[in-house]
Amino acid sequence: EDQVTQSPEALRLQEGESSSLNCSYTVSGLRGLFWYRQDPGKGPEFLFTLYSAGEEKEKERLKATLTKKESFLHITAPKPEDSATYLCAVQAYSSASKIIFGSGTRLSIRP
Amino acid sequence: NAGVTQTPKFQVLKTGQSMTLQCAQDMNHNSMYWYRQDPGMGLRLIYYSASEGTTDKGEVPNGYNVSRLNKREFSLRLESAAPSQTSVYFCASSVTGTGSGNTIYFGEGSWLTVV
Repeated sequence: EDQVTQSPEALRLQEGESSSLNCSYTVSGLRGLFWYRQDPGKGPEFLFTLYSAGEEKEKERLKATLTKKESFLHITAPKPEDSATYLCAVQAYSSASKIIFGSGTRLSIRP
Repeated sequence: NAGVTQTPKFQVLKTGQSMTLQCAQDMNHNSMYWYRQDPGMGLRLIYYSASEGTTDKGEVPNGYNVSRLNKREFSLRLESAAPSQTSVYFCASSVTGTGSGNTIYFGEGSWLTVV
């Protein structure tokens, strides 16, 4: 069964303290892995799509990486405005509509 | 630059009442989706529409109906609301492709409370 597990559930960091969020996945033929940011009371905002193992993408203080079993979202020198819930999702080749989301990691950055 | 627009943003219903959530996208996407988000359970797919005129059940379709009115609009109807349908509902859309992953874009959400 296709599955996405994110860890940790919650992470509190000091401003400037770098860390990583994990997304472990099991899917029959990965078509794409997505990272989203969600602020309270808002819809998920697209960050990255990764397609194959070894791929990396960067945006400001965020870098997403992908292996055959997991993806990491690395946050370098975070700022309070990076506080949000980060969602990971996978799409399988077996069904274009089958986009499975993890439960998310709530990230809090203290000034 | 609207993207995906949902209405209403907030709604309180009594058990047994019916209502329709409206969604429209202006990105010329073929595929549209309705998700619900509950604490600790992530986003779960209710229904999706791969193209105008087609709809299919997702993970949690019971108690809901959908209509793909045209390419832009995809509505979600609760025929007889139940407290278990209290949730945040998100509409989303994406291109429909046969190649690599298709990024989906979300609306701002509709907060529904059934009492």
